[in-house]
Amino acid sequence: DAGVIQSPRHEVTEMGQEVTLRCKPISGHNSLFWYRQTMMRGLELLIYFNNNVPIDDSGMPEDRFSAKMPNASFSTLKIQPSEPRDSAVYFCASSLRLAAYNEQFFGPGTRLTVL
Amino acid sequence: AQSVSQHNHHVILSEAASLELGCNYSYGGTVNLFWYVQYPGQHLQLLLKYFSGDPLVKGIKGFEAEFIKSKFSFNLRKPSVQWSDTAEYFCAVNAGGNNRLAFGKGNQVVVIP
Repeated sequence: DAGVIQSPRHEVTEMGQEVTLRCKPISGHNSLFWYRQTMMRGLELLIYFNNNVPIDDSGMPEDRFSAKMPNASFSTLKIQPSEPRDSAVYFCASSLRLAAYNEQFFGPGTRLTVL
Repeated sequence: AQSVSQHNHHVILSEAASLELGCNYSYGGTVNLFWYVQYPGQHLQLLLKYFSGDPLVKGIKGFEAEFIKSKFSFNLRKPSVQWSDTAEYFCAVNAGGNNRLAFGKGNQVVVIP
């Protein structure tokens, strides 16, 4: 099993540019989570999907952030326009099914730097 | 909203020393509790979890954690650490049956050979 796959692993962009982060969950998992990690705020849940449907996006910081899951094997997190304060590591995680006690499997993360 | 506190963000200790990392959460109802570990250069992975039953939970690599409901705590322990335990450790709580995991800010543990 390849685990959760994220791309790119590193992204450096300039303020105002659009950034798209990608995630492929583990095959057969039906829940997908996007997190952001910063020194100041730690790991924060941005949004999660169940069966490709967004369930809770209350963690999305503002309208510049959007996420989609067009099918069971792919999700994107987009920031448009990007700002320096968006610099962080973005993690994607998946779980077998949506249940409070289920383990979430994390990807390696995308380190985003906005200049 | 639920919150998770981890103290002593940076911990440095020698091999064979005992390790205890504290985790406290703020929620009075039913909780599911997790400890995740992130080794250098690797992704977050589950060490152990508690959702019901015996409050003393055994995890991988000799780690254990004890859920003390009255203290709202889920402290992680290992009696004798190894250099390979150098990592960042995160406590996470899922409260009230929802599916949101709230993470603590992590403990950076460095084990000196």
